[in-house]
Amino acid sequence: GAGVSQSPSNKVTEKGKDVELRCDPISGHTALYWYRQRLGQGLEFLIYFQGNSAPDKSGLPSDRFSAERTGESVSTLTIQRTQQEDSAVYLCASSPMPGGSYEQYFGPGTRLTVT
Amino acid sequence: DAKTTQPTSMDCAEGRAANLPCNHSTISGNEYVYWYRQIHSQGPQYIIHGLKNNETNEMASLIITEDRKSSTLILPHATLRDTAVYYCIVRPSGSARQLTFGSGTQLTVLP
Repeated sequence: GAGVSQSPSNKVTEKGKDVELRCDPISGHTALYWYRQRLGQGLEFLIYFQGNSAPDKSGLPSDRFSAERTGESVSTLTIQRTQQEDSAVYLCASSPMPGGSYEQYFGPGTRLTVT
Repeated sequence: DAKTTQPTSMDCAEGRAANLPCNHSTISGNEYVYWYRQIHSQGPQYIIHGLKNNETNEMASLIITEDRKSSTLILPHATLRDTAVYYCIVRPSGSARQLTFGSGTQLTVLP
């Protein structure tokens, strides 16, 4: 079946511009995560959605970052007034319904470059 | 999550079995062992997980010692495409928390 998809795969933007990144999770997965990974670094958690519960936004680095999810489907991560330190690969992952084993399935990521 | 210890790097000949160890001596009774890998320039990939019984899927086998203080991920016939960083993670049952990877093991499959 289809895995997690993300778009665009690459995005180059000028400092100060807004960007929107999209994630399509695996159908039926109620949990969705956004992570950031800078070059040569580990995963940095950003935000977590679970069903209709309030999202866990504890990892968002600043108020320039926001994310939305429509029901249990598509999610968008928006970065306003991008800065050079926002350059990274942004990864989305989804996880099966509660009662499952909570393994996370990752998309290919969006490589964001802020010039 | 319980702390895990893995070797920094390992080499394996193509076609041979790759055996990746992980120590998790502080694991508690309700914690599962998960394995993920990350191939260069790709997102992490879930491999397998287990509680106390050995597990096998199409990608790998997971052997957990009887005392659950260590485990081994086995790739039965390693290929060049298995070159990646492999992460062993211990998490409570039903944990939906975000993943945190340690340093992992860089596995290099040699031709």
